[in-house]
Amino acid sequence: EVRLVESGGGLVQPGGSLRLSCTTSGFVFDDYTMHWVRQAPGKGLEWVSVVYWDGGNRKYADSVRGRFTVSRDNTRDSLVLQMDSLRIEDTAFYYCVKDLNPFDVTGFEMASWGLGTLVTVSS
Amino acid sequence: QSVLTQPPSVSGAPGQRVTISCTGSSSNFGSQFDVHWYKQVPGTAPKLLISANNYRPSGVPDRFSVSKSGTSASLAITGLQAEDEADYYCQSYASSLSVVVFGGGTKLTVL
Repeated sequence: EVRLVESGGGLVQPGGSLRLSCTTSGFVFDDYTMHWVRQAPGKGLEWVSVVYWDGGNRKYADSVRGRFTVSRDNTRDSLVLQMDSLRIEDTAFYYCVKDLNPFDVTGFEMASWGLGTLVTVSS
Repeated sequence: QSVLTQPPSVSGAPGQRVTISCTGSSSNFGSQFDVHWYKQVPGTAPKLLISANNYRPSGVPDRFSVSKSGTSASLAITGLQAEDEADYYCQSYASSLSVVVFGGGTKLTVL
């Protein structure tokens, strides 16, 4: 069974930093492209970032580019999102998401989702 | 404003057929417009409902189907049931922008 468990959320002041982690199990982590998707309370889904299965390519939404950094540790089967220069509008639930197909680089069907971790940016 | 446009809400009576549209622009998606659909019950994480090539995860009934024409896609739900009441999101990859995009979401109400 695929399991994705996010951690690291919490309350942070504007301009601060936070590091989210996603521990995974139940699949061959090295083979799958992974995403972060967020959802502000009461709002829709917003894609944040993707890191390809081999870690060689990373992409970001315009709203976070230059402030957030995605990485993966294939030795620990984990995904990380380093969030710097946080803004009030970054307040959201952050989901760790696994692609449907191995070695995917364009389809991006998001097959498995974690339960999410809440990030609150407030003074 | 989302790169993918969905109606904010749709509704239907039990047993009816409803469709949810998802429209993008050719300048963002070109000739490749593969749209995947997700269902989210409020208070829970989203789930993949059906992918662009009609793949449905285990447990998703064949009452759900997808279609596409140009840069417009649709999700069709037949035999509407109370359990279908949820928020539905479309999603695609805008290759010209190198970003993944979601539609704004559609709230389905079963009357």
